[in-house]
Parts: sequence; C-alpha cells; structure tokens
Amino acid sequence: NAGVTQTPKFRILKIGQSMTLQCTQDMNHNYMYWYRQDPGMGLKLIYYSVGAGITDKGEVPNGYNVSRSTTEDFPLRLELAAPSQTSVYFCASTHRRTGITYEQYFGPGTRLTVT
Amino acid sequence: KNEVEQSPQNLTAQEGEFITINCSYSVGISALHWLQQHPGGGIVSLFMLSSGKKKHGRLIATINIQEKHSSLHITASHPRDSAVYICAVSTFNTGNQFYFGTGTSLTVIP
Repeated sequence: NAGVTQTPKFRILKIGQSMTLQCTQDMNHNYMYWYRQDPGMGLKLIYYSVGAGITDKGEVPNGYNVSRSTTEDFPLRLELAAPSQTSVYFCASTHRRTGITYEQYFGPGTRLTVT
Repeated sequence: KNEVEQSPQNLTAQEGEFITINCSYSVGISALHWLQQHPGGGIVSLFMLSSGKKKHGRLIATINIQEKHSSLHITASHPRDSAVYICAVSTFNTGNQFYFGTGTSLTVIP
C-alpha cells in the first residue's frame, strides 16, 4: 500500500491564483481530512469527509473548497490565494466504525508559499 | 483555550538521558495519540491509547483518564530521536475530529 499520497510537494503561488492540492489514499478509509500547519501552532482542521459525497467544514475553512467523489480521493481547492494561506498542508485518513477508534495516517505534506 | 496542551515546547537533552513530554486535554476523547514529525518530514503515529500504558522499544506512553493527562517517555535518548512530538486526541463527535497540541521540539545532543 502507498498509504496517503499528496501532490505537489512544494508550490509557489502568486496572490489571486488558484490551485488544487491532490490527496489519495489506498487503504479504503472512509474518513479523510485536510489540515494546515503553521509555525508554532497545532494542526488546524480545514475540511473533512466521512465518506464519498459527504464533506463538512472544520475550524479554518475560509478560502478553501473540497470535494469527495470517490473513497480514494479528497482534493483541496484554493481559490484566490492569499499570503495568509502560506502554510504546510497535510491530508490524513482513518477508518471509523461505531465505537472503535483507529489511528490517522498522514500524507507527506505540501509546502505552499503565496507571494 | 486549546483543547490539547503540551509541555515543554522545546527540549534539549544529552544522549542517553531519560525524557518526558507531557500532554493535558480538556475534551472527552475516544483515544489519545502520540505523533512524531521529523524536520521537513511527514507525520507518523507512534501510539494510540485509551487507558494504561503502551511500550514500543525505548518509547513508553501512559495515560490517566481521570486526570486527562498523558506522558510520553523516551529512555536512553539518541540523536535520531530528535523530532517534534505531537499529542493529539480523537473524539466521538460526528467527524471523528482530532485536536492537536502545538508539539514539543526535541533535540538530543551526542
């Protein structure tokens, strides 16, 4: 299994540009997450999905959009990039069954700079 | 107030020292997780625990549910243990959401 893969690893965007961060997992996990990690801060949840076709906002969703058309893929879209979106982005996935908790698996991260 | 608080924020140790990182949380949890992040690297799960104690090699994680507190211990520390250690909790809410501490940056000097 490749686990959770993310592309690209690095990206520089100009203010106002748009891009999509790709995330794919091959573990048949039903739950997927997008986080951003800023220096000195804990990971913050942007969006999450509990299954194909179902997404919901996390703590910091403004400026982002997601979709989940398949179990495997959970792309994150940045529209009109702003310097405040400069961060490291992590995609993660986990399996969830009623009453049972599983560990999260993280992708390698995407380092995004908006200038 | 953060749901998960870690201490210390930074820690420097000599090789061979015993290390303790502490974590307190304020929400109801389904499990507590200890994660490791190497510089410029991804995040990997070290432990997931909901009670008692777990051991993996030189790493030991404990949790006290009543006190809402967990500790991560590293025995006989080694320079390769240098990393950021993150405490996280998973919850029973709709999205199985995780809350993360800000991490403890550990440097082990040879």
